[in-house]
Amino acid sequence: GIQVEQSPPDLILQEGANSTLRCNFSDSVNNLQWFHQNPWGQLINLFYIPSGTKQNGRLSATTVATERYSLLYISSSQTTDSGVYFCAVSDSNYQLIWGAGTKLIIKP
Amino acid sequence: NAGVTQTPKFQVLKTGQSMTLQCAQDMNHNSMYWYRQDPGMGLRLIYYSASEGTTDKGEVPNGYNVSRLNKREFSLRLESAAPSQTSVYFCASSRVTWISYNEQFFGPGTRLTVL
Repeated sequence: GIQVEQSPPDLILQEGANSTLRCNFSDSVNNLQWFHQNPWGQLINLFYIPSGTKQNGRLSATTVATERYSLLYISSSQTTDSGVYFCAVSDSNYQLIWGAGTKLIIKP
Repeated sequence: NAGVTQTPKFQVLKTGQSMTLQCAQDMNHNSMYWYRQDPGMGLRLIYYSASEGTTDKGEVPNGYNVSRLNKREFSLRLESAAPSQTSVYFCASSRVTWISYNEQFFGPGTRLTVL
């Protein structure tokens, strides 16, 4: 099955810094989503991005499907950005395959 | 528009007890899913329902049963709870068509502890 790898596993930044999170996947996909899991456990949809580039405020994402990776950019980090960021993909069936996540801590 | 709702939010069971987790969505989605998340890990699919009247096993179905009650509701049942089923359970839904797989939307989760 598809393998999903996220890097880095942990990231600690000062408020105001920028960051790039990476998601590599081992096979072609028809769905790729980025999620933010906040410290209370809630899963928040960030992007549905099987290919191309999208932006939403301080966050943007790019998926290069032919090279099997996706990047999530966070600019001007705020303490509320802390949590775990997950990449999840699916191929030909309904199951989302999840990476292990990147744990982001933003210090004030 | 409440999106995906789950009940209960928290539950503590003793080994061998049974319970049903409820999930409902108001987005008119045809597909629904149950996932579990263990500490420090991503989510794993337990069961899914591609459309009303159908259910299929996911990656970790053992010890669980599901019912797609109607288009809105999808329940997960633990017949005889075990400590290994201590986890956070998430329900999700999506509008899947034969030409595209659209994004999944998640409920707030149910935190289950089995003693």
